[in-house]
Amino acid sequence: DAKTTQPTSMDCAEGRAANLPCNHSTISGNEYVYWYRQIHSQGPQYIIHGLKNNETNEMASLIITEDRKSSTLILPHATLRDTAVYYCIVRSLAGGTSYGKLTFGQGTILTVHP
Amino acid sequence: DGGITQSPKYLFRKEGQNVTLSCEQNLNHDAMYWYRQDPGQGLRLIYYSQIVNDFQKGDIAEGYSVSREKKESFPLTVTSAQKNPTAFYLCAISKGPGTDTQYFGPGTRLTVL
Repeated sequence: DAKTTQPTSMDCAEGRAANLPCNHSTISGNEYVYWYRQIHSQGPQYIIHGLKNNETNEMASLIITEDRKSSTLILPHATLRDTAVYYCIVRSLAGGTSYGKLTFGQGTILTVHP
Repeated sequence: DGGITQSPKYLFRKEGQNVTLSCEQNLNHDAMYWYRQDPGQGLRLIYYSQIVNDFQKGDIAEGYSVSREKKESFPLTVTSAQKNPTAFYLCAISKGPGTDTQYFGPGTRLTVL
């Protein structure tokens, strides 16, 4: 699976949009971009994923650049409960030796301030 | 997720003892996974199972064992052969084979004294 690069930490004011970037310049054509978040001492929570088109669900929006080398997760109205570590993962759905495995990097620590 | 339960949330054991961590799901998903997370680290895959009575080793299977006798249950045994068993253990499930989105349970924090 392709490697991802995320900023170590970010801050956001409550009620504002949080825009979390992810670089995945070595992504290949059959690899999806997944986002999870993890609140301290809890299991990771799935947020959203996409291949090439922008995606939106009740939690967030995912914007993938046309060349697919980077993406941005957008939390439109951040709340204090959105404070967590956010992981961007590039994952092949083509099977093989990494079949099923999710590879989590260091992620971005997002802190939402009142 | 509400459909995945891991128990207990905290577990303490003495060195040299085997311990079994529970993972149960009521979502009728076929695939189940065990990951380990160490402080400040990402997740590492221990074992996974795509169907009942079948399971495969992940990246760090040494010192661990699993069984998948029922679709809803995938217990993980941490044996005394595991050199550094203290960690946060996470169970995940997906609808079908490993390519589907994985959903995680709340985790069990194991401390070996």
